Amino acid sequence: KAGVTQTPRYLIKTRGQQVTLSCSPISGHRSVSWYQQTPGQGLQFLFEYFSETQRNKGNFPGRFSGRQFSNSRSEMNVSTLELGDSALYLCASSLFGTAHEKLFFGSGTQLSVL
Amino acid sequence: GENVEQHPSTLSVQEGDSAVIKCTYSDSASNYFPWYKQELGKRPQLIIDIRSNVGEKKDQRIAVTLNKTAKHFSLHITETQPEDSAVYFCAAGYNNDMRFGAGTRLTVKP
Repeated sequence: KAGVTQTPRYLIKTRGQQVTLSCSPISGHRSVSWYQQTPGQGLQFLFEYFSETQRNKGNFPGRFSGRQFSNSRSEMNVSTLELGDSALYLCASSLFGTAHEKLFFGSGTQLSVL
Repeated sequence: GENVEQHPSTLSVQEGDSAVIKCTYSDSASNYFPWYKQELGKRPQLIIDIRSNVGEKKDQRIAVTLNKTAKHFSLHITETQPEDSAVYFCAAGYNNDMRFGAGTRLTVKP
C-alpha cells in the first residue's frame, strides 16, 4: 500500500511568486491535513479537508489556500511568497472520519524562498 | 483554539536511562493525545496515542500518561537506545483539529 506522496520534494522560489504543492493520500483516506514545519516552531496547522470541504483552518494569512479533489488528492497554494514562508510543508492523511486521529505523513515539500 | 506546550526542547540521556517529555494543553475539549517521532530527514510517525478516557497506555518501552484535571500528558521511554534519538512531538486533538507542541530533540548517548 503506497504511503502519502508529496510533490515536488524541493522548490526554490523568489519573493512575490506563487507556488502549488500537491499531496496524494493513502488510498481510502479521505481526510488530508497540511502543516508547516520550521526549526523551533514544530508543526503549525494550516488546514484540513474532507470530501472536498475545508473543515478547519489554522492561523495563517489568506495567501495560504488549499483544495481537495474528488479523488482525495489535495493541493496547497501560497501566493505572493515571502521569505518567512521558507519551510517544510507536510501533508498528512487519516483513514478515520475524524481528521486528527492516527495521521500518516508524507515526506514533505521543502520550500525555499529567496 | 488549542495551544500545546512541550518541555524540554532538548534532552540528552545515556543509553539505558529513561527519558520523560512533558506537554500541557489548553482546551479541555481535547480528547486525543498522540506522540510522533521524527528521525532526521524523515517524516513524523505515530508511536503511541491515548484517548481522554484512559489514564495510561504502554507499548513495550514507551508509555504515555494523561492527567485531564491538570491538562498535561507525558511520554516515558525506558531503557533508551541510540535509535531512540529523534525529535518527538506531542499533540492534542479534538473535532478534526490537531495542534502540535514545538518538539523535543532527544539524544541518546551510547
